Amino acid sequence: DGGITQSPKYLFRKEGQNVTLSCEQNLNHDAMYWYRQDPGQGLRLIYYSQIVNDFQKGDIAEGYSVSREKKESFPLTVTSAQKNPTAFYLCASRIDSSYGYTFGSGTRLTVV
Amino acid sequence: GQQLNQSPQSMFIQEGEDVSMNCTSSSIFNTWLWYKQEPGEGPVLLIALYKAGELTSNGRLTAQFGITRKDSFLNISASIPSDVGIYFCAGRGSGAGSYQLTFGKGTKLSVIP
Repeated sequence: DGGITQSPKYLFRKEGQNVTLSCEQNLNHDAMYWYRQDPGQGLRLIYYSQIVNDFQKGDIAEGYSVSREKKESFPLTVTSAQKNPTAFYLCASRIDSSYGYTFGSGTRLTVV
Repeated sequence: GQQLNQSPQSMFIQEGEDVSMNCTSSSIFNTWLWYKQEPGEGPVLLIALYKAGELTSNGRLTAQFGITRKDSFLNISASIPSDVGIYFCAGRGSGAGSYQLTFGKGTKLSVIP
């Protein structure tokens, strides 16, 4: 079955450490997105990528980095520069001809 | 940028009641989408609307694309406990970056059995 997979589901990080969240899709979708979700804040766009080897900053890119070396994969690195990284992170993808996004099941990151 | 106002922020209703929520935009949208997110999961698409005035149903859910193209609403009839979750509206505008969706902040629905 096609889908979008985020891993791990839960992640704990010590302050000052970088951590990478995985997002893989086998839907042959062109565009991929990373969102951050905090209670009562809705979904805030971190980064997005329309094609391989190209990506753009979203509304809250500071302290995050991404890469898009393969169409299927769009990992997100939360760096030590991100001051408040504890949140629920959602990855999504979209095929070019569609307006709707398909979301992964999310990764909950907690800084300890 | 484009902003979506979604209301209400939260709702507590009795099982069997009907539910209504809406989204309004400061600018025109060409597409409206409604998503449901269950606790600890990603949002799942419920209904997509592509034309002003369009009314679309999906089981007990009905959504409409407002005539002004600046609003949309979602109704849930005869609510059941599994309707619990956060409902998000999303819209697609026009012009540069129109391939991206703008999301509302969500309506958190609680159903009391």
